[in-house]
Amino acid sequence: GENVEQHPSTLSVQEGDSAVIKCTYSDSASNYFPWYKQELGKRPQLIIDIRSNVGEKKDQRIAVTLNKTAKHFSLHITETQPEDSAVYFCAAMEDSNYQLIWGAGTKLIIKP
Amino acid sequence: ETGVTQSPTHLIKTRGQQVTLRCSSQSGHNTVSWYQQALGQGPQFIFQYYREEENGRGNFPPRFSGLQFPNYSSELNVNALELDDSALYLCASSLSGSRYSPLHFGNGTRLTVT
Repeated sequence: GENVEQHPSTLSVQEGDSAVIKCTYSDSASNYFPWYKQELGKRPQLIIDIRSNVGEKKDQRIAVTLNKTAKHFSLHITETQPEDSAVYFCAAMEDSNYQLIWGAGTKLIIKP
Repeated sequence: ETGVTQSPTHLIKTRGQQVTLRCSSQSGHNTVSWYQQALGQGPQFIFQYYREEENGRGNFPPRFSGLQFPNYSSELNVNALELDDSALYLCASSLSGSRYSPLHFGNGTRLTVT
């Protein structure tokens, strides 16, 4: 089955700088990769997603890149702001059963 | 638009007991998924219901069971509770018809087993 690894577990960046979170997956048949943001004590919320037929997707300050050959995908946040502080989860959808397999999460800390 | 609501918000149970958690899906959503999120971990898929039938299951034992009702609300039942069942249980609803439908999560039920 699918396995998703996420790095780093904690990331601290200066406000205004960029943040990059990386995930690798094991099943080459996986074809959908969403990113969720979970603020402390709140529910996970989808922030961006990408399908396997696309290499990059952008939404304002957030972008996701996908390298199918290397089986990794990354979240890029530019011009970070205090409200970006949260735990970010990547996930990959197994093609066989449409099940989402999640990474362990990255705690992003934005330093003022 | 009504979001996903879960009840109760917190629950304390003793090992060996049984528990029922409830979820009302977002208006218009007919698919419900349940996840277990241990502290410091990502959500683990338990199962998914569509049209009152289970149509996907993760690596959880049979003592984890569920129901979906005609109004698309759902229950998660856990029998013979173990200490390791302590976690945040998240319900998520989505629209069927596309495997890429975003999941809309509730705020979860924090279960503590002592």
